[in-house]
Amino acid sequence: DAGVTQTPRHEVAEKGQTIILKCEPVSGHNDLFWYRQTKIQGLELLSYFRSKSLMEDGGAFKDRFKAEMLNSSFSTLKIQPTEPKDSAVYLCASSLEGTGITGQLYFGEGSKLTVL
Amino acid sequence: GDSVTQTEGLVTLTKGLPVMLNCTYQTTYSPFLFWYVQHLNEAPKLLLKSSTDNKRTEHQGFYATLHKSSSSFHLQKSSVQLSDSALYFCALSAGTNSAGNKLTFGIGTRVLVRP
Repeated sequence: DAGVTQTPRHEVAEKGQTIILKCEPVSGHNDLFWYRQTKIQGLELLSYFRSKSLMEDGGAFKDRFKAEMLNSSFSTLKIQPTEPKDSAVYLCASSLEGTGITGQLYFGEGSKLTVL
Repeated sequence: GDSVTQTEGLVTLTKGLPVMLNCTYQTTYSPFLFWYVQHLNEAPKLLLKSSTDNKRTEHQGFYATLHKSSSSFHLQKSSVQLSDSALYFCALSAGTNSAGNKLTFGIGTRVLVRP
């Protein structure tokens, strides 16, 4: 089975640009998460979808971050406009809801964003 | 809100020695605790989990016991190997139907094992 696929793996942007990160979850999974990973803050939740419905978007990230799930097999995270402090690794994860709380998130390898 | 605290940012030790990584949590719900491991340039992966008070859970030589009385879920291994060098995250699920597998993560502890 294919795991979670994230593209691009690396992105370099100028301050003020718009970037779009993409994620394909594990087939059949209905929970999808976007996390931001930094050395200082660790893993911070950006957005959480269940069956394509937005369940939660991290309050601190609302203004410039927008995640969408157009269908069950594809999600995007748009950052607009980018700022240097957005430099981080963005992780997408999926899981199968309905089997109880397993904590079994399947993560992609991440998209490393550098904003100059 | 829910929170997870990992007190060590970096743990450096020699191969063959024991290790313990601290994890404490805060939640008003029934807790589910997890440890994830992330090797360099790889995706985080679930290492072990527990929701049962005072019961030891083990996987791949690592073990942890959830203690609800002290809100702790420390990760231990008796003898570390070079391949254990990685970033370890403690995580919490609030245990509600709406939260499901939404996890709150600690900041992570980097383990560096030297020969």
